[in-house]
Amino acid sequence: DAGVTQSPTHLIKTRGQQVTLRCSPISGHKSVSWYQQVLGQGPQFIFQYYEKEERGRGNFPDRFSARQFPNYSSELNVNALLLGDSALYLCASSLRTDGPTNTEAFFGQGTRLTVV
Amino acid sequence: DAKTTQPNSMESNEEEPVHLPCNHSTISGTDYIHWYRQLPSQGPEYVIHGLTSNVNNRMASLAIAEDRKSSTLILHRATLRDAAVYYCILRGFKTIFGAGTRLFVKA
Repeated sequence: DAGVTQSPTHLIKTRGQQVTLRCSPISGHKSVSWYQQVLGQGPQFIFQYYEKEERGRGNFPDRFSARQFPNYSSELNVNALLLGDSALYLCASSLRTDGPTNTEAFFGQGTRLTVV
Repeated sequence: DAKTTQPNSMESNEEEPVHLPCNHSTISGTDYIHWYRQLPSQGPEYVIHGLTSNVNNRMASLAIAEDRKSSTLILHRATLRDAAVYYCILRGFKTIFGAGTRLFVKA
């Protein structure tokens, strides 16, 4: 069975540009979460979607947005890129919403974004 | 948001048990305690989780303090492949990662 897949694996963008990252959850999983991981730090929560609705948002500026499609795949968009947005962006899927939960999250390999 | 505190790094000898501690003094009654580990250039991998009782699976054991303010991940026989960053996470309405513990395993 395919795990969580993310595309692209690597990306280089220029400051001020916009980027879209994609995530396909494990079949049957309805919840997708996005995380930003700067080198040497733990992942930071950005968004959580469940059944196509936003269920949680971390402390990120409005330049960050996301959506979930009817097939439960998801996109993360970042506008007006800054050098500080350079990071590994991780997507995780789970069976249910990211509330107090007994279900584990499965992570993709991430998209490495470099802003120059 | 409830946070976790872990040592920055720990070292173990191969084939010996490893006890990785985590403090979460502000845990709420509904937060589940999850552990993940991350190898270089990979996404985090689920290890184990629990709510109140100690838990065992094929990868590890999780010991949870009676007051739930701390927990310990136990790797019964460390191998070189267990060298990774281990994250103790509270899965509530937000999933908050700390900096994790980098585990070094010596042959």
